[in-house]
Amino acid sequence: AQSVTQLGSHVSVSEGALVLLRCNYSSSVPPYLFWYVQYPNQGLQLLLKYTSAATLVKGINGFEAEFKKSETSFHLTKPSAHMSDAAEYFCAVKAGTASKLTFGTGTRLQVTL
Amino acid sequence: KAGVTQTPRYLIKTRGQQVTLSCSPISGHRSVSWYQQTPGQGLQFLFEYFSETQRNKGNFPGRFSGRQFSNSRSEMNVSTLELGDSALYLCASSPPGGLADHNEQFFGPGTRLTVL
Repeated sequence: AQSVTQLGSHVSVSEGALVLLRCNYSSSVPPYLFWYVQYPNQGLQLLLKYTSAATLVKGINGFEAEFKKSETSFHLTKPSAHMSDAAEYFCAVKAGTASKLTFGTGTRLQVTL
Repeated sequence: KAGVTQTPRYLIKTRGQQVTLSCSPISGHRSVSWYQQTPGQGLQFLFEYFSETQRNKGNFPGRFSGRQFSNSRSEMNVSTLELGDSALYLCASSPPGGLADHNEQFFGPGTRLTVL
């Protein structure tokens, strides 16, 4: 079985500041990890994914995440926040051949001036 | 390519009724998954269909069912609606490929169901 824990349901940063959204996972087999973003009244958009090819994964909109097996973490970062980054972010894990994604509870990112 | 489309976008039903939601995957995608999103339970996996067969199922009561057609379009049905079924229902499709276990899922905009 697999699970995801996202620390912090709400994170507030100033525009231009570093964004750090935390995600820890649990999986009985090597995991595939994903970060999705959801804007109000919309579906989920993939930001980036880890599939064991490289531990540092670069995604869209300047986001990146680092897979750390020893810490079972996959934290999402962005060097400089923009107002348009305000949204809800979900970390998800998939294990094995099934397509089922197990999501964390989400982190709402607020960006202030 | 057109993205995943879901119809209708909004739906209001009353308790006891049944509802059918539709999902058209991205052209060429054969796997379709359904998720329920609520403020209390978050995003929960309902089921996945591949080549018209249910391949995986989440922990939902039998009132929730689905099917997939030969053109990969999928429908989900909820019978005897309860207030707690109010949610955003998201459909996602995945591309085919040899390493399908890490293929990402592409999500539609969802159908917001309100049960009164």
